[in-house]
Amino acid sequence: DAGVIQSPRHEVTEMGQEVTLRCKPISGHNSLFWYRQTMMRGLELLIYFNNNVPIDDSGMPEDRFSAKMPNASFSTLKIQPSEPRDSAVYFCASSQGGGSYEQYFGPGTRLTVT
Amino acid sequence: SQQGEEDPQALSIQEGENATMNCSYKTSINNLQWYRQNSGRGLVHLILIRSNEREKHSGRLRVTLDTSKKSSSLLITASRAADTASYFCATEPPPHNNNDMRFGAGTRLTVKP
Repeated sequence: DAGVIQSPRHEVTEMGQEVTLRCKPISGHNSLFWYRQTMMRGLELLIYFNNNVPIDDSGMPEDRFSAKMPNASFSTLKIQPSEPRDSAVYFCASSQGGGSYEQYFGPGTRLTVT
Repeated sequence: SQQGEEDPQALSIQEGENATMNCSYKTSINNLQWYRQNSGRGLVHLILIRSNEREKHSGRLRVTLDTSKKSSSLLITASRAADTASYFCATEPPPHNNNDMRFGAGTRLTVKP
């Protein structure tokens, strides 16, 4: 398996623009997670899905952030409109199930909002 | 919010020395996991220790868990320059088995050749 795939790897955009980050989890994994990592706040869980259903989005910072998982092999994280403080590395991870399973992380998307 | 807190925040050692990192957490757990992150990369799972286990080994890694103190330690023996990375502990706060893993701030380990 190719592992968790994220695209793009780098994104530079201007404030106010819409940004869409994409993730393809490992085949057969039924849980998917979106994280954000910054120097100031560390690794933050934004939202996670079980069997394509959003379970907890309490980590999503604002209404500007939204996430979807239309099927088991694809998820998106959208920021609209983007702001400079959204600059961070966004990771997607997947696992086979609950907290007893290890999470497999993608390479991340480095987002810079100018 | 963070569940685990790693200590120290940064650690610098010489190649060949042992490195010990600690993690403290706040709530009951089913298990605790350790991950490594190389600069610019995603996290990689190292080891999982269950709440009924006290010690676990994997190669040069040794993890201990003390549920009475709500703490865990990760020991890397005979460190190598390639071990330079950030190390995170992760736990799942109650209710358990809901996939809500929380990561600490990490320990930045530098191994000098």
